[in-house]
Amino acid sequence: DVKVTQSSRYLVKRTGEKVFLECVQDMDHENMFWYRQDPGLGLRLIYFSYDVKMKEKGDIPEGYSVSREKKERFSLILESASTNQTSMYLCASRRTGGRSPLHFGNGTRLTVT
Amino acid sequence: SQQGEEDPQALSIQEGENATMNCSYKTSINNLQWYRQNSGRGLVHLILIRSNEREKHSGRLRVTLDTSKKSSSLLITASRAADTASYFCATNHQGGSEKLVFGKGTKLTVNP
Repeated sequence: DVKVTQSSRYLVKRTGEKVFLECVQDMDHENMFWYRQDPGLGLRLIYFSYDVKMKEKGDIPEGYSVSREKKERFSLILESASTNQTSMYLCASRRTGGRSPLHFGNGTRLTVT
Repeated sequence: SQQGEEDPQALSIQEGENATMNCSYKTSINNLQWYRQNSGRGLVHLILIRSNEREKHSGRLRVTLDTSKKSSSLLITASRAADTASYFCATNHQGGSEKLVFGKGTKLTVNP
């Protein structure tokens, strides 16, 4: 069974802090994704990566960066956290090929105060 | 930009009834997928329908796709309280990259 693990379930950070959200998958998937989920807005893609060291912007990349140094790990970085980045963050992975499903982690609920 | 848009936003039914959720999208797709999310958890893949398919079944789930109307529906038959969750459609664009674009979801409540 594919497992996508997000390092923290809940996180509370202060405005201006640099925040790292970590995600690890164990199925050798080429593609990894970071989404944020907000009430009434659904899931919005922040960044995704289709290979090690490769990344592509999603729909809302502003204020975020990502790092993929190893195939199994995809990190989301909030360079300077702001209150409008309070959200649920979901990591997902999938094999290359349009019919492959996404496998999600359980999410990190981030609160920025 | 959001591709899929589900309706209704919320649906409340009694156990044993059928639940139908709809999804509309704007540009041509390779396939459309439906996902389920229990409260506070990640999403779980339910079913995929390809652009050349019109209907697909999986257990109590039935998905239809009408590419001429750019719409899909998810039917859950004989619903159970355990089906209470949010349901999302996700589309994979033709000519697009590996990303899937999600709608805002339908929140389904099945009352015992």
